[in-house]
Amino acid sequence: QSVLTQPPSASGTPGQRVTISCSGSSSNIGNNSVNWYQQLPGTAPKLLIYRNNQRPSGVPDRFSGSKSGTSASLAISGLQSEDEADYYCAGWDDSLNGVLFGGGTKLTVL
Amino acid sequence: QVQLQESGPGLVKPSETLSLTCTVSGGSISSYYWSWIRQPAGKGLEWIGHFYTSGSTSYSPSFKSRVTMSVDTSKNQFSLKLKSVTAADTAVYYCARDHWGKISGARYIWFDPWGQGTLVTVSS
Repeated sequence: QSVLTQPPSASGTPGQRVTISCSGSSSNIGNNSVNWYQQLPGTAPKLLIYRNNQRPSGVPDRFSGSKSGTSASLAISGLQSEDEADYYCAGWDDSLNGVLFGGGTKLTVL
Repeated sequence: QVQLQESGPGLVKPSETLSLTCTVSGGSISSYYWSWIRQPAGKGLEWIGHFYTSGSTSYSPSFKSRVTMSVDTSKNQFSLKLKSVTAADTAVYYCARDHWGKISGARYIWFDPWGQGTLVTVSS
């Protein structure tokens, strides 16, 4: 099935560690790499993690990605108020022969 | 560093063709893949398709029958045309440089950088 499933919302308090999951199938996450994007309110998405666990330069090491089987996760440690944003997972789907985005997770910092 | 800027009409009538241009500055458009992605208000991201500057294209099945992407390397610009639009095509449209390939049998594709996005409204 060509869909990436994320929880619609997540929350945490400053300093806490939160994780956001992304569930797929063998045609996408199971066979290909996963990326994560952060979208702050009113702005364009920004690449946060590529190829499952690689951070572009400039992205704090508080952000980390992992993949296991047909699921992937984004972890944010030392949560800060400026981390409040929408987070999207994405990757190639072999059945679709195109890019799939997850539905997005709205992270609230309480 | 490379920057992208979308431009085009903000209002398109139903059944007409949406046309957008993405101007690349700070680097050459050649020898890269470039994508268009859209986001309806309050909703998630949707990949429209991408092309390589040599001319090869790959479109999402959702748009394949209606979309054309092209490039003008002399102007460091690329374009999107989406025909027969309806209200459902109202969205913020982003252009992005994509990094696409295969390592050890696993396909990778990520988008970086992105343009700031341009809102296109389909309405009469």
